[in-house]
Amino acid sequence: QVTLKESGPVLVKPTETLTLTCTVSGFSLSNVRMGVSWIRQPPGKALEWLANIFSNERKSYSTSLKTRLTISRDTSKSQVVLSLTKTDHVDTGTYYCARIREDHIDRYFDYWGQGTLVTVSS
Amino acid sequence: QSGLTQPPSASGTPGQRVTISCSGSILNIGSNSVNWYRHLPGTAPKLLIFSNNQRPSGVPDRFSGSKSGTSASLAISGLLSEDEADYYCAGWDDSLNGWVFGGGTKLTVL
Repeated sequence: QVTLKESGPVLVKPTETLTLTCTVSGFSLSNVRMGVSWIRQPPGKALEWLANIFSNERKSYSTSLKTRLTISRDTSKSQVVLSLTKTDHVDTGTYYCARIREDHIDRYFDYWGQGTLVTVSS
Repeated sequence: QSGLTQPPSASGTPGQRVTISCSGSILNIGSNSVNWYRHLPGTAPKLLIFSNNQRPSGVPDRFSGSKSGTSASLAISGLLSEDEADYYCAGWDDSLNGWVFGGGTKLTVL
């Protein structure tokens, strides 16, 4: 059974660094044709893709946030970590991690975590 | 960062068929497949359609997807009250080297 679970702080002060962990089970982070993404949803707004890391450690980031984001993984712990520096109140929202499945030339998120709500406030 | 365009809302009565559109560009929908997700606030989004028109195991055949050029659509037939949710389209964007999402469509079953 594939599961993903996000964890991290509930409250972060502005300008601090937010660090979130996605712990996966039911698959290996080194599986070919798989990866993990982070996606967030500000309150009342749409889903927004943040970052990817694939099985070959290939990474990519949202253009608007790339200077503030870092994604990494620890395959031995089955964890993917996302760091967001210089947080602001606009970074408040629910953060999801999702498994990427690659089929030939297609890519999609086939499993998602439940999400973790993060509030940026002093 | 440009996203995909969806209508903010859609509605229908039980038993009806509704469609939700998704518009993009040659860099995303025009070059890559479209996926659709259903989302209820506070829960994990669920994959409904992948590769433009494929349903994962367990998704009823009431849900169908299509794509033409730089646009795609999700159709839901035999509408049920439990279909009330937010629906998002998404696709890989070659210029961004990542995904773009639509703004989401809130479906109301009247």
